[in-house]
Amino acid sequence: KNQVEQSPQSLIILEGKNCTLQCNYTVSPFSNLRWYKQDTGRGPVSLTIMTFSENTKSNGRYTATLDADTKQSSLHITASQLSDSASYICVVSESGGSYIPTFGRGTSLIVHP
Amino acid sequence: DTGVSQDPRHKITKRGQNVTFRCDPISEHNRLYWYRQTLGQGPEFLTYFQNEAQLEKSRLLSDRFSAERPKGSFSTLEIQRTEQGDSAMYLCASSLGLAGTGPSYEQYFGPGTRLTVT
Repeated sequence: KNQVEQSPQSLIILEGKNCTLQCNYTVSPFSNLRWYKQDTGRGPVSLTIMTFSENTKSNGRYTATLDADTKQSSLHITASQLSDSASYICVVSESGGSYIPTFGRGTSLIVHP
Repeated sequence: DTGVSQDPRHKITKRGQNVTFRCDPISEHNRLYWYRQTLGQGPEFLTYFQNEAQLEKSRLLSDRFSAERPKGSFSTLEIQRTEQGDSAMYLCASSLGLAGTGPSYEQYFGPGTRLTVT
């Protein structure tokens, strides 16, 4: 069964600090991995998409890495801001034409002033 | 605002009633997706359309659930004989191509419809 596990489940940091969120997956065959940011009560917003051949992708203060051999990804947030407080969700899709993505449960990040 | 709209934003219904949600995707997007999300969980895939054709359905989509996209534009998701376990946020998303298969095929999510079954 395809699974996506995220850690930590929740994280509290001070404004201006950096943090790293983890995503481990068992989805196979692998097609792509996406990170989303979801504010409370709103739909997810895409941060990065990575395919098998990509091992890093940046979007402003967000940098995602992918190790397809170990099936791990991380999302690093630099110089956190209060607006970074949200849930961060990792999504992995299979290759082979069938679109049924596997979502992680998300990491809840709280940034305190 | 991503350009994807959903209506209503909130719905409270009694167990056993039928409910229908609407999603209006970004106009040029031919793919449309429905997800369900319960508190503290990530979204779960329900179904997706390419134009008016329903190409994938999750086993989560029981026979009480039906989705349509009659003209390849807006979509509706109907839940018949609602149960308390149906209480969740129902998210719709759209994309130009199959999500994640190319850099331009990003999914844009709507704000969701929160369903509460009492």
